[in-house]
Amino acid sequence: DVKVTQSSRYLVKRTGEKVFLECVQDMDHENMFWYRQDPGLGLRLIYFSYDVKMKEKGDIPEGYSVSREKKERFSLILESASTNQTSMYLCASSGGQYHTTYEQYFGPGTRLTVT
Amino acid sequence: GEDVEQSLFLSVREGDSSVINCTYTDSSSTYLYWYKQEPGAGLQLLTYIFSNMDMKQDQRLTVLLNKKDKHLSLRIADTQTGDSAIYFCSGEGGGNKLTFGTGTQLKVEL
Repeated sequence: DVKVTQSSRYLVKRTGEKVFLECVQDMDHENMFWYRQDPGLGLRLIYFSYDVKMKEKGDIPEGYSVSREKKERFSLILESASTNQTSMYLCASSGGQYHTTYEQYFGPGTRLTVT
Repeated sequence: GEDVEQSLFLSVREGDSSVINCTYTDSSSTYLYWYKQEPGAGLQLLTYIFSNMDMKQDQRLTVLLNKKDKHLSLRIADTQTGDSAIYFCSGEGGGNKLTFGTGTQLKVEL
């Protein structure tokens, strides 16, 4: 059973703070993803990674960076949090090149509030 | 890239069937997916359909795919209050990515 965990369910930070969101998967998946979810906008891809130390920008990378030092762990970093980054953040993972389907498995989400 | 559209809300009575519709633009997806998100939780994969199929049934769930019209639907038979959630359809956006619709909020009324 695939398990994707996220470091916090709820987080409150102040404007200008550096924020780290961590995601860990236990299925040896190659691909990992960070999304943000806002009402009426669905899921928007921030960054993704195909392999260790590799990262690709998604649709809305501005204001975010990522780190993937180990295969199982993918971190999202808000260098200087702003109020418009208040959102639900979802991490996901998927198998990789030797899988025929691309279904993603999601963590429970982190609801971040920036005040 | 893929664009996926869904209506935002659907309300049904308990015991009725629910039909959630989705349209997509890119017909190159090999698989199309349906996810469910319960309040305060992440997305959970419900089912998926191979693009060469017209229909897939899985217990109370029926997925219909019309490739010509680029239309995907999810039918939930005998809808229960526990089915209240947001449902996302998803297509393959290239490079191992998925593109998600905006989600349909299903409300089941007694």
